[in-house]
Amino acid sequence: AQSVAQPEDQVNVAEGNPLTVKCTYSVSGNPYLFWYVQYPNRGLQFLLKYITGDNLVKGSYGFEAEFNKSQTSFHLKKPSALVSDSALYFCAVRPSSGGSYIPTFGRGTSLIVHP
Amino acid sequence: DTAVSQTPKYLVTQMGNDKSIKCEQNLGHDTMYWYKQDSKKFLKIMFSYNNKELIINETVPNRFSPKSPDKAHLNLHINSLELGDSAVYFCASSPLGGDGYTFGSGTRLTVV
Repeated sequence: AQSVAQPEDQVNVAEGNPLTVKCTYSVSGNPYLFWYVQYPNRGLQFLLKYITGDNLVKGSYGFEAEFNKSQTSFHLKKPSALVSDSALYFCAVRPSSGGSYIPTFGRGTSLIVHP
Repeated sequence: DTAVSQTPKYLVTQMGNDKSIKCEQNLGHDTMYWYKQDSKKFLKIMFSYNNKELIINETVPNRFSPKSPDKAHLNLHINSLELGDSAVYFCASSPLGGDGYTFGSGTRLTVV
């Protein structure tokens, strides 16, 4: 069975500082990995995905994520945080072949960017 | 144009009632989903449906049932509502294969 761990319930960072939201996963075979963001009272919005190729994936709003196969991680990063980045972030994984095509989501990490 | 729209946005109802939440997508996606987000923000898949296959999360009570009149719609019917059904329900759609979901804005269901 596939699973996702987001070890931090909350991440606090000052505006202008770099941010990292952590994600580790477990899946049979090669993974497809995703990050989504949820703003208050809104649905989830797709940020970026890793399917294959370059381990560094660039997405929306200046976010990027690095796939590390040996550490089974897919941490979300941004060089300079904005107050408007404050939201709930979800990591998700599914196997690239076989198994269910329905991703498994992590429990979410609340990112708070302080002015 | 809203890509995935669901109605109503808020729904307050009494225990024991039957209610429906509607979902429509205009993206031409093949697959639609219903998720439940609890008070701790945990997302749980309830159903996945395309024109060939309905996948049901076995932990979902059979009081919940999806109905798809066509490829662009997947409605959620809930019978005999219970207090524990209170949550935010999200509809989503994706191309076949599930790469990259588009979510609706959610329906906040409160059972009193």
